[in-house]
Amino acid sequence: QVQFVQSGAEVKKPGASVTVSCKASTYTFTSYVIHWVRQAPGQRLEWMGWINAGNGDTKYSQKFHGRVTITRDTSATTAYIELTSLTSDDTAVYFCAGQLSSGWYFWGQGTLVTVSS
Amino acid sequence: QTVVTQEPSLTVSPGGTVTLTCASNTGAVTSGSYPNWFQQKPGQAPRALIYSTSNKHSWTPARFSGSLLGGKAALTLSGVQPEDEADYICLLFHGGAWVFGGGTKMTVL
Repeated sequence: QVQFVQSGAEVKKPGASVTVSCKASTYTFTSYVIHWVRQAPGQRLEWMGWINAGNGDTKYSQKFHGRVTITRDTSATTAYIELTSLTSDDTAVYFCAGQLSSGWYFWGQGTLVTVSS
Repeated sequence: QTVVTQEPSLTVSPGGTVTLTCASNTGAVTSGSYPNWFQQKPGQAPRALIYSTSNKHSWTPARFSGSLLGGKAALTLSGVQPEDEADYICLLFHGGAWVFGGGTKMTVL
């Protein structure tokens, strides 16, 4: 089974930026669309955007457009999400997930990002 | 803005059968919404169960099945086990974006 391993927890101040990574344990990394999803405490999952790991195409949720950038490094089989201009509302667990065709398959373990002054 | 709605909570007895549903405020859910279903337990990442309405992953127990029912996506558990107690979350594709439901907290009692 493919594993997606994410980077560790982050604590940031308001106005700062954060980057979370997601490393895939598969040589078929470029076959995946990698999604980024977040879950604030007690809230529903929220889709943020995706990257086609093969060709680098991206699409972002309108809510985050302008504040989020998703990239990938195929040689490192790793995807990244950068979120800028952080506020306390961005405190959440951030997940990556891999999609093949129309199915979402494997999820990362989650990365807690805390925004606090 | 697309809003996806699920039952907030359900209680089922061990060995019983239960159907959870997933509705969209934009209209009937169809196969073109590519419904996906996930199981999430406290403190864990979601685990994929069903994709494209009714397709199971290789690790999905046989007692889980997906369908379309009355304009909604549906997840049916037949022969519920105590370890099935969890949140069940649906995901729909609409208007170029993916939208999650609020989840159904299923209690096995």
